[in-house]
Amino acid sequence: GIQVEQSPPDLILQEGANSTLRCNFSDSVNNLQWFHQNPWGQLINLFYIPSGTKQNGRLSATTVATERYSLLYISSSQTTDSGVYFCAVDDSGGGADGLTFGKGTHLIIQP
Amino acid sequence: EAQVTQNPRYLITVTGKKLTVTCSQNMNHEYMSWYRQDPGLGLRQIYYSMNVEVTDKGDVPEGYKVSRKEKRNFPLILESPSPNQTSLYFCASSLGGYTNYGYTFGSGTRLTVV
Repeated sequence: GIQVEQSPPDLILQEGANSTLRCNFSDSVNNLQWFHQNPWGQLINLFYIPSGTKQNGRLSATTVATERYSLLYISSSQTTDSGVYFCAVDDSGGGADGLTFGKGTHLIIQP
Repeated sequence: EAQVTQNPRYLITVTGKKLTVTCSQNMNHEYMSWYRQDPGLGLRQIYYSMNVEVTDKGDVPEGYKVSRKEKRNFPLILESPSPNQTSLYFCASSLGGYTNYGYTFGSGTRLTVV
């Protein structure tokens, strides 16, 4: 099946810093999403971005499908940005296997 | 508001006592699925449903049952829960499983089996 690798696995930053999270995937995808899992365990959908660039406030994401990677940018970090960020993909081979998740990037924003 | 609603959010139960976790979506989505999340193993799909009365196994279906009698509901049934089913469970829905639409997740159900 498709492999999803995220880096870095852990990241500790001071409030106000910027960060870039990376997601590499091993095959063509027809769906790529970024999620934020908050400290209460909820999975919050950040972006649906199988290709191209999107922005939502301080967050933006870029997916280069031909090179099989996606980047999530967080600017001017706040303590509420802490949590685990997951990249998840659905490959383009057909079927209904659902999403394959990476192992996540654990982000801690210190005040 | 478009959402996937799971209940309960937290549940502690004893081994062998049947339980049902409910999942409902208000987006008229055809595709629904269940995942479990465990430390070190990530999120894994349990069951999915392409439409009413159509369900299929995911990666870790043992010990679980599902049903899809109506489009909006997709309950997860544990007939005889065991401690290894202690986990964080998520229900998700999408407009269509074969097509490139995004998935919406519920808020999760934290289940503890003692």
